[in-house]
Amino acid sequence: KNQVEQSPQSLIILEGKNCTLQCNYTVSPFSNLRWYKQDTGRGPVSLTIMTFSENTKSNGRYTATLDADTKQSSLHITASQLSDSASYICVVWVSGNTGKLIFGQGTTLQVKP
Amino acid sequence: DGGITQSPKYLFRKEGQNVTLSCEQNLNHDAMYWYRQDPGQGLRLIYYSQIVNDFQKGDIAEGYSVSREKKESFPLTVTSAQKNPTAFYLCASSTKKVRTEAFFGQGTRLTVV
Repeated sequence: KNQVEQSPQSLIILEGKNCTLQCNYTVSPFSNLRWYKQDTGRGPVSLTIMTFSENTKSNGRYTATLDADTKQSSLHITASQLSDSASYICVVWVSGNTGKLIFGQGTTLQVKP
Repeated sequence: DGGITQSPKYLFRKEGQNVTLSCEQNLNHDAMYWYRQDPGQGLRLIYYSQIVNDFQKGDIAEGYSVSREKKESFPLTVTSAQKNPTAFYLCASSTKKVRTEAFFGQGTRLTVV
């Protein structure tokens, strides 16, 4: 069964600190992996997209890594800001004719001053 | 502006009534999707369509119906057969290319009263 699991479920950090969110997937056939940021009551917004041949992708203070062998990804946030408080969702695209997106449950991050 | 638009943002429905959620995109995307989000859970796929006049059931299609008569539009009807319709509904669209980004609407919060 195609699944995407994220950890931790929630996280609280102080402003200025770094944090790392984890994503494990069992999706086949794998096409690409995305990280999205979702503010409360809003639609998700893409942060990064990585194919199996890409190990690292950065977008400002966000750095995503992908290990296609172990089927793990991480999202590292550097020097957190209050505006980083949101849910972060790991999404895997299943290749083939169906082209479905499989979503993780998300990690809720709260950045405190 | 280019993008994907959902309406309304908030919707209230009486039990036993059908209600239709609107999703329109002007991105010229072939694929469109409907997801449901419940508190503490990941997005779950309701229906998706990869071409006009064709759509497939997702993981939780029971109690929902869709149509894709135009490329730009993918309305979702929540029928009275849906036993627990109160949720946050998200529409997304994308091209069918591998590295495509999926764009999300701002969501519709449906409450059954």
